[in-house]
Amino acid sequence: EAGVAQSPRYKIIEKRQSVAFWCNPISGHATLYWYQQILGQGPKLLIQFQNNGVVDDSQLPKDRFSAERLKGVDSTLKIQPAKLEDSAVYLCASSLTSGGQGTQYFGPGTRLTVL
Amino acid sequence: AQSVTQPDIHITVSEGASLELRCNYSYGATPYLFWYVQSPGQGLQLLLKYFSGDTLVQGIKGFEAEFKRSQSSFNLRKPSVHWSDAAEYFCAVVSSNTGKLIFGQGTTLQVKP
Repeated sequence: EAGVAQSPRYKIIEKRQSVAFWCNPISGHATLYWYQQILGQGPKLLIQFQNNGVVDDSQLPKDRFSAERLKGVDSTLKIQPAKLEDSAVYLCASSLTSGGQGTQYFGPGTRLTVL
Repeated sequence: AQSVTQPDIHITVSEGASLELRCNYSYGATPYLFWYVQSPGQGLQLLLKYFSGDTLVQGIKGFEAEFKRSQSSFNLRKPSVHWSDAAEYFCAVVSSNTGKLIFGQGTTLQVKP
């Protein structure tokens, strides 16, 4: 079974530029999560989708971050414009169900450096 | 509010020695608890999870964890550490409603030869 795929793996941009990350979850997984992991910290949830609807985006900085999950499968996370403090690893995860017992499987992440 | 505390930021053990990584949580109801491992440049891999039942849970790679409600703890243990266990370890609690994972800040494990 293929795991969660993410691209690109690495991205370097200058502040005020825009960037987009892509995630393909495990086939059949209805729930998709985007996490931000700043160096030295644990991952923090940015947004959670159930199929193509948003369940939780309370921690998403909506003035610069946006995310979509068209057709309930792939998802993209965009930052526009980027700030220095957005430098982090962006992790995508998916699970079969949205409840607490749905194990989340993580992709390798995209490491973003904002100069 | 739900939270997870991992008191040890960095731990160094000798290869073959035993290991215990500490995790304390704050959660109003019965928690669902997880331990994940992250190797350099890799995503998070699930080691083990606790939902209910037996408070001693076995995971992959020889790891186990014990849930102690009275101490609000879920410590991770391994009897004999291998050099390949060097990585960052995260404890997490999940919201039973949404499945949102709340992570501790992680413990970096270094293994001495």
